[in-house]
Amino acid sequence: EAGVTQFPSHSVIEKGQTVTLRCDPISGHDNLYWYRRVMGKEIKFLLHFVKESKQDESGMPNNRFLAERTGGTYSTLKVQPAELEDSGVYFCASSRTSGSPIAKNIQYFGAGTRLSVL
Amino acid sequence: KNEVEQSPQNLTAQEGEFITINCSYSVGISALHWLQQHPGGGIVSLFMLSSGKKKHGRLIATINIQEKHSSLHITASHPRDSAVYICAVGNSGNTPLVFGKGTRLSVIA
Repeated sequence: EAGVTQFPSHSVIEKGQTVTLRCDPISGHDNLYWYRRVMGKEIKFLLHFVKESKQDESGMPNNRFLAERTGGTYSTLKVQPAELEDSGVYFCASSRTSGSPIAKNIQYFGAGTRLSVL
Repeated sequence: KNEVEQSPQNLTAQEGEFITINCSYSVGISALHWLQQHPGGGIVSLFMLSSGKKKHGRLIATINIQEKHSSLHITASHPRDSAVYICAVGNSGNTPLVFGKGTRLSVIA
């Protein structure tokens, strides 16, 4: 079974440009989460999809960030226009909705996308 | 004050030493996760705990729900254990995790 994959692994862009990050969750996982770690801080939640619907987007920092999950499969996170403070590592995680309580609680993480805004 | 506090922030150990990393949380949880992040790498889930103790190889994780505290232990530490260890808590199934800042561990040969 393939794990959670993220693309690209690293992106370097200039302030004002647009970047789109992609996450492919584990097949069959309805829950998809985006998290972000900025330098020196803890990882913070951005938003949560259940299938194609946004369950919780309370962590999205501002309207420069747009997440989509068309068809309930892969998700994209677009930052437009990017600012210096958007630099960090963006993680995606997925989990099941069905199954045992233990299985439902485990979130599987991708390797992350390191975003550098210059 | 963060809802999840880890200590120490940084830890350097000699190969073979027994290592303990602590995590305290202030919110109600249904599960606590210990995660590992290698330099430049992604995050790997080590344990998920809701009570008691779990062991996997040289790693042991314990949780005390009443005291809202968990520990991650590494026995016979090795340089390949060098990584950032992150504690994260979840309130109920399928809710976003709340993370500690992580503990950066360096094991020296």
